[in-house]
Amino acid sequence: RKEVEQDPGPFNVPEGATVAFNCTYSNSASQSFFWYRQDCRKEPKLLMSVYSSGNEDGRFTAQLNRASQYISLLIRDSKLSDSATYLCVVNKVEDTGRRALTFGSGTRLQVQP
Amino acid sequence: EAQVTQNPRYLITVTGKKLTVTCSQNMNHEYMSWYRQDPGLGLRQIYYSMNVEVTDKGDVPEGYKVSRKEKRNFPLILESPSPNQTSLYFCASSRFSGGSHTDTQYFGPGTRLTVL
Repeated sequence: RKEVEQDPGPFNVPEGATVAFNCTYSNSASQSFFWYRQDCRKEPKLLMSVYSSGNEDGRFTAQLNRASQYISLLIRDSKLSDSATYLCVVNKVEDTGRRALTFGSGTRLQVQP
Repeated sequence: EAQVTQNPRYLITVTGKKLTVTCSQNMNHEYMSWYRQDPGLGLRQIYYSMNVEVTDKGDVPEGYKVSRKEKRNFPLILESPSPNQTSLYFCASSRFSGGSHTDTQYFGPGTRLTVL
């Protein structure tokens, strides 16, 4: 079983739609959680951190359920520019000091006019 | 401008010919990593460095070497490349703050390597 699992998609949605991505992680020692965005053939960039209480940044809302080891990302009012791959990222700091960032394979979103 | 740079961006080489991919950051970050990205597998960490002269293996270190002689540079060395090292490689840096939410990873633009 992968440490971080995501539905690969693609999710094809019309402009203005609301779309939700889910992610599950297997390591209960995980400490921090993030969503990164990756455009085709480009580097990942931080979209937002995910806090236990849930957090919102404009049209984006992230939720974390530690008990179920589940993370979600909701995008409201989708724009064409939201088309990208969204990576679920889970972090823990090991005893050695290593930042063990584990990346999901990503969920591809295609917003259509 | 705060950034991570990598060179070359694209490289086609042959099996066994040693190569180095350079990585440099201008943010005075302590922590640097190398990842490879393959379809369906996500990004996997190859090596990381917590500071100058401190490096250690990540999840997939076989066939790779690194060095950290200066804080800003973290080159990735393939002594004898093989076709299974064909991949998209990313260098990343961050402040080392113990995994807090402010500890964002900044990625370089990527190096697409093909080993024939």
